[in-house]
Amino acid sequence: LAKTTQPISMDSYEGQEVNITCSHNNIATNDYITWYQQFPSQGPRFIIQGYKTKVTNEVASLFIPADRKSSTLSLPRVSLSDTAVYYCLVGDGGYQKVTFGIGTKLQVIP
Amino acid sequence: NAGVTQTPKFQVLKTGQSMTLQCAQDMNHNSMYWYRQDPGMGLRLIYYSASEGTTDKGEVPNGYNVSRLNKREFSLRLESAAPSQTSVYFCASSEVGQGVVGEQFFGPGTRLTVL
Repeated sequence: LAKTTQPISMDSYEGQEVNITCSHNNIATNDYITWYQQFPSQGPRFIIQGYKTKVTNEVASLFIPADRKSSTLSLPRVSLSDTAVYYCLVGDGGYQKVTFGIGTKLQVIP
Repeated sequence: NAGVTQTPKFQVLKTGQSMTLQCAQDMNHNSMYWYRQDPGMGLRLIYYSASEGTTDKGEVPNGYNVSRLNKREFSLRLESAAPSQTSVYFCASSEVGQGVVGEQFFGPGTRLTVL
C-alpha cells in the first residue's frame, strides 16, 4: 500500500491561494491520487482525482509531477468556508486498499 | 436522491449492550464501507462490501459484524459494546471496478458513545 505524508496543519488568510503537498514515494503504476475534504461533523467529500500532470475542476487543481512521488492540491482564493481537513489518498481499484490518514487541517483566517 | 443515509444520528449505550447501525444508499453503487473516526484522527476502515453478497474485513474489524442485506443496505452491528468503540461511524458507497478509485460518497455519520 502506498503510504502518504502530508502536513498536519496549515493556516492561510482569506483570498490567498493554498497549496497542500502530499508525499507518496512508493506509489504504484496503477495508483490514482485522490483528495477529500471534511468539515466538522460531516463525512468526507470528494474534491479531485488525478493520475498525472494537472487536473482542474471548479473547486481545485491537482498538480502531479512526472515521477508521481508527490502531488499538490491547490485551492484558489480560499474563503472561511474552506476551513476543513483535507485528505490525500493513493490507490487503485477500490477503497479497501486505501487509507485515510490524519489529513491536513486547513484554518482560513479572516 | 438522498445519497447515503444513516440511522441513528446519535446513540448512547452502556457497556455490553448491542446495537445495529443502519446504512442505505440510492445510487445503485456496488461497494459499501463502514469507517470509524476517533477524535482528531483520520478514518479507519472497519468492514467493506465490494458487491452484494460479499463482505470483508478492513483495518479494525474486531468487535463488529456486518450484513449486506441487499444492494442498497449495509448494516454494522456491535454485539457487546465497549467504551473503546465510542466514535463517529461513517458509512460510504462507491462504484469501483473500472480501474479507477471511484468517488466515495459518505453518509452524515452516527455519533456513538459507550459508557
